[in-house]
Amino acid sequence: DAGVTQSPTHLIKTRGQHVTLRCSPISGHKSVSWYQQVLGQGPQFIFQYYEKEERGRGNFPDRFSARQFPNYSSELNVNALLLGDSALYLCASSFYMNTEAFFGQGTRLTVV
Amino acid sequence: LAKTTQPISMDSYEGQEVNITCSHNNIATNDYITWYQQFPSQGPRFIIQGYKTKVTNEVASLFIPADRKSSTLSLPRVSLSDTAVYYCLVGDSGGSNYKLTFGKGTLLTVNP
Repeated sequence: DAGVTQSPTHLIKTRGQHVTLRCSPISGHKSVSWYQQVLGQGPQFIFQYYEKEERGRGNFPDRFSARQFPNYSSELNVNALLLGDSALYLCASSFYMNTEAFFGQGTRLTVV
Repeated sequence: LAKTTQPISMDSYEGQEVNITCSHNNIATNDYITWYQQFPSQGPRFIIQGYKTKVTNEVASLFIPADRKSSTLSLPRVSLSDTAVYYCLVGDSGGSNYKLTFGKGTLLTVNP
């Protein structure tokens, strides 16, 4: 069985640009959540989607947005990139919101 | 907003039992407590999840007191490969915004 897949694995962007990160959940999972992990710190919650609706939002600026598609895959969009957005972005899928979550390997975003 | 507190680091030796405690004062009634393990440059991996009392699986046990304001992850007979960061995760369903909060993590170092 395929696990959670994220693309791309690595990405380099310039300040001010926009980026789209993609996540495919495990088959049958209806919830997707996104996290930002800066080196040396724990993952910080960005968004959670369940059944294509936003169910939770962390303390991130409006430059961060996301959506979930009918097939339960998800995109995380970040506009007007800042150097401080450089991090590992993790996607996790679960059957429901507070059940066991399975994480992808992440997308390493570097903003220069 | 749920907040979790864990020790920053712990040291152990191969074959010992390790107990890592997490405090979570604002856990919501319907929330579960989940522990994850993370190796460098990888997404977190699910270890165990519980609601109250004691849960045991093939790799760990989770002890939760009646007030649910803390939890203890117990790893029996650790090995060198258990060296990793361990995160305690609770959901915070205050109001209509569901948030998932990771602790800062506990770096467990297992020595030979």
